Amino acid sequence: SYELTQPLSVSVALGQTATITCGGNSIGTKNVHWYQVKPGQAPMLVIYRDVNRPSGIPERFSGSNRENSGNTATLTISRAQAGDEADYYCQVWDSDIVIFGGGTKLTVL
Amino acid sequence: QVQLVESGGGVVQPGGSLRLSCAASGFTFTTYGMHWVRQAPGKGLEWVTFIRYDGSEKYYSDSVKGRFTISRDNSKHTLYLQMNSLRVEDTAVYYCAKEPYSGYDLYYFESWGQGTLLTVSS
Repeated sequence: SYELTQPLSVSVALGQTATITCGGNSIGTKNVHWYQVKPGQAPMLVIYRDVNRPSGIPERFSGSNRENSGNTATLTISRAQAGDEADYYCQVWDSDIVIFGGGTKLTVL
Repeated sequence: QVQLVESGGGVVQPGGSLRLSCAASGFTFTTYGMHWVRQAPGKGLEWVTFIRYDGSEKYYSDSVKGRFTISRDNSKHTLYLQMNSLRVEDTAVYYCAKEPYSGYDLYYFESWGQGTLLTVSS
C-alpha cells in the first residue's frame, strides 16, 4: 500500500523559513494536501492540491509538488511565528483510500 | 458558516458497539461527501471512512472494514458511524470532515468538527 514519509520533527528560528517534506513514490503525480493540528484543536487545511491556500491561510504558507522533485512534496512556512508551532500532516488519495503521512512536529525557537 | 458537531463518544468495553453522529449545518449537506477521521492519543491522523453525498459510494480503511459502517440521513443533515466489535486500538478522537466541493469527490478535508472521544477499555 502507498506510504507517505515525513520527518518526525523540524525546528525553525522565529522569523526564519521552515520546510517540511513529504516523501512518496511518484508523489508528483498525486494531489497533496497539508493540515495543521494544534493540541486540543481540530485539524485545519493549510494547503490543498499541492500549492493552493484556503481562504484565511497566510501567504507565508506555500506548497510544492513537482514531478521532478525526487518523490518529495514540500510545505514551506516563511517568516515563522510562534503561532505556527503545531503538527503538520500531508495527505493523498490512492487506490480508494486516504493516506496521511506520519506527521511532523514543528518547533519555533 | 460550516458547522460540524460530533456526538456519541464515550467509554465502551472491547467487543462492544457504539454509534457516532455528526450534525451538519451552514452548507448544503445533501450535496457533499463526508468522511470520518480519527486520532488516537499521542498518534497521528488516520482516515476511517468516506461516503458520497448520496450514499452511493463508501470506502473504508482496512483497519475498520467489516466492523464499522458509515451512513447518512440527508433529511436530518446528519452523518453516522456505526462501530461494532470495538477494540482497544479504536480508542481515539473521531472527527467528521467535509469534502471541499459540492457534487465532487476530491478526497480531502475542507472543514472539520471538533471531534468526539471514544475510549475502548475494560
